[in-house]
Amino acid sequence: QVQLKESGPGLVQPSQTLSLTCTVSGFSLTSYSVHWVRQHSGKSLEWMGRMWSDGDTSYNSAFTSRLSISRDTSKSQVFLKMNSLQTEDTGTYYCARNGVFDYWGQGVMVTVSS
Amino acid sequence: DVVMTQTPVSLSVSLGGQVSISCRSSQSLVHNNGNTYLSWYLQKPGQSPQLLIYKVSNRFSGISDRFSGSGSGTDFTLKISRVEPDDLGVYYCGQGTQYPYTFGAGTKLELK
Repeated sequence: QVQLKESGPGLVQPSQTLSLTCTVSGFSLTSYSVHWVRQHSGKSLEWMGRMWSDGDTSYNSAFTSRLSISRDTSKSQVFLKMNSLQTEDTGTYYCARNGVFDYWGQGVMVTVSS
Repeated sequence: DVVMTQTPVSLSVSLGGQVSISCRSSQSLVHNNGNTYLSWYLQKPGQSPQLLIYKVSNRFSGISDRFSGSGSGTDFTLKISRVEPDDLGVYYCGQGTQYPYTFGAGTKLELK
């Protein structure tokens, strides 16, 4: 069955870089896009960017200058890297499949704090 | 960016009752290809969001027919009939027509 699972550090220091991995199973990254969505505690959802099935990427301009999404199709993994983290970047980060977000990972909670 | 406005912010319902949630977008969600990429999600406490409805009115696999979506252009509605305990949580509408994709602020469904 389709599964997505996020992994990464739970705590990141301010000004440092966040690196997250989304490992997928049950589908191919060359057939479906994978998105990253962020949720501040108790708040709504914020779309960050996507990795297209052809390897291209699209980003929310709110993050463009510090966000990078890449992938390793051999490992069925999509990566998020975001630099210059601030306390406002604290939240839960999800990866989700395709443009309607039909499947979501369980999320990884990230706290930005010294 | 397309702003998605959901009303109400919260709803109290009795089990077995019916509710409607409204979602309005600041711009038309009709894509150049003719599709309207408006989806509805439910986030239960402590869980990830789950897709209920996509492209306005299409129920996702395994979603009960108690959930129905309607609307067009900038005005959309999610109706839930015969509310069950498992329906409680926060409902979000989201648009995938224009970048960046955006979501409403959510509607919390609680028991009366």
